[in-house]
Amino acid sequence: DAGITQSPRHKVTETGTPVTLRCHQTENHRYMYWYRQDPGHGLRLIHYSYGVKDTDKGEVSDGYSVSRSKTEDFLLTLESATSSQTSVYFCAISFTRETQYFGPGTRLLVL
Amino acid sequence: QKEVEQDPGPLSVPEGAIVSLNCTYSNSAFQYFMWYRQYSRKGPELLMYTYSSGNKEDGRFTAQVDKSSKYISLFIRDSQPSDSATYLCAMSEKDNDMRFGAGTRLTVKP
Repeated sequence: DAGITQSPRHKVTETGTPVTLRCHQTENHRYMYWYRQDPGHGLRLIHYSYGVKDTDKGEVSDGYSVSRSKTEDFLLTLESATSSQTSVYFCAISFTRETQYFGPGTRLLVL
Repeated sequence: QKEVEQDPGPLSVPEGAIVSLNCTYSNSAFQYFMWYRQYSRKGPELLMYTYSSGNKEDGRFTAQVDKSSKYISLFIRDSQPSDSATYLCAMSEKDNDMRFGAGTRLTVKP
């Protein structure tokens, strides 16, 4: 998985609770991304980062926030989890924007 | 219309068959074309990468890009049960982020 780890790998939480997912890379890539993958929708970009403290929204950013205080770490936060945020979340990294390498994923279930 | 269209399948073939997977797209500015393989409950892994038009071969895998038709293909020769996975096409413009197809689920039966 190209030097990318995600934690936790599985999480069950309740509606209304905050959740933070962590992505850690050892490749020193500039770009980091958070996607969600759902049946029928494929991979959809939530947020991405193009450097420390530099982030931008993707196509499905509502209800999510991100932070990147170090090159190697990119955090995704669900401020108040909802059942519609039940999904598989993938982190990806890239040296240039055109090609990305994915982590192993985090399965999140919001009850 | 989606920017990238990919038939979700499922596609089932016997072992040893030639598999053809395809995507069409609408954005003529796409220059980089990728195929990812995703096994069940795993992250997508980069399988093939092509810049602009033409063919690229890597072992049993061949990627083709036809920019005039806005059509890309992935061929798998002598398919094996271990090729059973979901295949995602992806493409991007220079200095821009990738757009993904929905993925085609392939099963190769022994």
